[in-house]
Amino acid sequence: AQSVSQHNHHVILSEAASLELGCNYSYGGTVNLFWYVQYPGQHLQLLLKYFSGDPLVKGIKGFEAEFIKSKFSFNLRKPSVQWSDTAEYFCAVNALNRDDKIIFGKGTRLHILP
Amino acid sequence: DAGVIQSPRHEVTEMGQEVTLRCKPISGHDYLFWYRQTMMRGLELLIYFNNNVPIDDSGMPEDRFSAKMPNASFSTLKIQPSEPRDSAVYFCASSTRTGAGTGELFFGEGSRLTVL
Repeated sequence: AQSVSQHNHHVILSEAASLELGCNYSYGGTVNLFWYVQYPGQHLQLLLKYFSGDPLVKGIKGFEAEFIKSKFSFNLRKPSVQWSDTAEYFCAVNALNRDDKIIFGKGTRLHILP
Repeated sequence: DAGVIQSPRHEVTEMGQEVTLRCKPISGHDYLFWYRQTMMRGLELLIYFNNNVPIDDSGMPEDRFSAKMPNASFSTLKIQPSEPRDSAVYFCASSTRTGAGTGELFFGEGSRLTVL
């Protein structure tokens, strides 16, 4: 069964620092990939997605992610974080032509110090 | 569009009681997913439906859990009897198909369940 690994469970950064959150998935076929964000006390909302085409995708609030097929990775980046980026971030994968499940990683809690 | 609507937002109950969580997906979406979120396990997929039909319930923890989708605009997740370890936030999400795969999930606000 496909799975998603997020390497960092808890990340603490100062404002203006650069961010990279790791995500790896285990499925050899074609995938749709997602990053979701959950702000404190709120539901999950889409940050960005990759379906096909340019492996570097840009999302909301200055976030971007790069799909590297050979590494089964879809890391999330932001050049300069803000205090308002404090949230939990989830990577998710849908294995195409296998089933319609969307499987999530365990999440990374990001805490930005003002 | 009102988005995905879940009820109740909060439920506190005693062990052994029946709990029913409700979800109204976004109109026109043909997929509905139920997830459970806990600190220890993160977001676990419990079950999902396509066109009201349960497709995969392998994530349902045990027979105490059941889910139904009697029509395109309503789904329930029932726990009977409930146990303290069922305490979690239960999310419902809906989606449509995009190309060869499942598209973006739209989540409800979640139902926070506490079983005493």
